[in-house]
Amino acid sequence: SQQGEEDPQALSIQEGENATMNCSYKTSINNLQWYRQNSGRGLVHLILIRSNEREKHSGRLRVTLDTSKKSSSLLITASRAADTASYFCATDQGGSEKLVFGKGTKLTVNP
Amino acid sequence: DTAVSQTPKYLVTQMGNDKSIKCEQNLGHDTMYWYKQDSKKFLKIMFSYNNKELIINETVPNRFSPKSPDKAHLNLHINSLELGDSAVYFCASSQYRRGQPQHFGDGTRLSIL
Repeated sequence: SQQGEEDPQALSIQEGENATMNCSYKTSINNLQWYRQNSGRGLVHLILIRSNEREKHSGRLRVTLDTSKKSSSLLITASRAADTASYFCATDQGGSEKLVFGKGTKLTVNP
Repeated sequence: DTAVSQTPKYLVTQMGNDKSIKCEQNLGHDTMYWYKQDSKKFLKIMFSYNNKELIINETVPNRFSPKSPDKAHLNLHINSLELGDSAVYFCASSQYRRGQPQHFGDGTRLSIL
């Protein structure tokens, strides 16, 4: 069964605005990862947050994790047209080596 | 240099044919994966190999057969192709440790006529 569910499915914003995407999952995890997929390309790893972490930053990215609510959010600040892509969360299933991906959020940043 | 490379990028073929997709990584990783992404962008693991040994084998029709000649290569052979096999197939690699990021190729778009 699918582990992660992203919300919203699609998001359209203006350049310079912030974009927030959410991910919910169902079982316990050891870590959660976020990936970006540009159109026609493979997934690119953005950031990993472990189950004992609550927040992590990387450049304009901020990820939070709430294990009590089984949810994570990805915030992209000061968005750029180049951030236009689909964003996926991926979780391990209680320590499995297998990553389970959500359906993704399609982000469009309008110049 | 491309880290994870797949060939071919596009594959258009008739139902019933047999085809192969090749994948190579130059990252020195010991684990490789095949994923299938459907038309709704849902990405699902199919197989994973660690040091040439199969470690993940999801519920996939046995028409799909992975083969890893060495830890830098993972190929996918598909027999008797069906319409439902149309999808984008991604190869990925990582180090075999919990929580390691995976590095993806740019995919092979398979279209069955």
